[in-house]
Amino acid sequence: AQKVTQAQTEISVVEKEDVTLDCVYETRDTTYYLFWYKQPPSGELVFLIRRNSFDEQNEISGRYSWNFQKSTSSFNFTITASQVVDSAVYFCALSGYSSASKIIFGSGTRLSIRP
Amino acid sequence: DVKVTQSSRYLVKRTGEKVFLECVQDMDHENMFWYRQDPGLGLRLIYFSYDVKMKEKGDIPEGYSVSREKKERFSLILESASTNQTSMYLCASSLLTGPGDVYGYTFGSGTRLTVV
Repeated sequence: AQKVTQAQTEISVVEKEDVTLDCVYETRDTTYYLFWYKQPPSGELVFLIRRNSFDEQNEISGRYSWNFQKSTSSFNFTITASQVVDSAVYFCALSGYSSASKIIFGSGTRLSIRP
Repeated sequence: DVKVTQSSRYLVKRTGEKVFLECVQDMDHENMFWYRQDPGLGLRLIYFSYDVKMKEKGDIPEGYSVSREKKERFSLILESASTNQTSMYLCASSLLTGPGDVYGYTFGSGTRLTVV
């Protein structure tokens, strides 16, 4: 069975601090995709990144970076120099490799950035 | 820009009513999904569809049904609404590509349903 665990329910930091959101997954598949989504107060989930299980290279996009470690089944997300606009609920998710696969979501981490 | 539109942002219904939640996408996507989102539980899949007139049960289908008569429209039906179906409902769509190429979903803004 597939499962995604986001142990941090809520995180609150002061603006400009760095913050890391943890994600641990379980799957029996040898090939799979991992995702991060952001849900701002408006409610619509916004796609942030998709990572292929073959590719363990870390990825950086501006202030966002992702650390994928197959050995520990983790796909952590770090925001550097956080800003108030980063306040949102963040979901980690997992999918199999077939075009018919559905995405399994974690329970989400609510991130609050205080001015 | 790709769009998934859910017809209502907020909805209040009475226990026992039949409720229709509508979702329309303009991207010609084959796959469509209905999730419900509850605090501490994340998103749970109710039903999904890979093609017109085709449907598959997700993880929590009880109390729900779906309809997909046209490619762009995927409706979620609560046959007899109950208070434990009070939740945020999210519709999503994705492109059906070849094997090994799963794209992320595009989500609608959600419908917050309250059953009283």
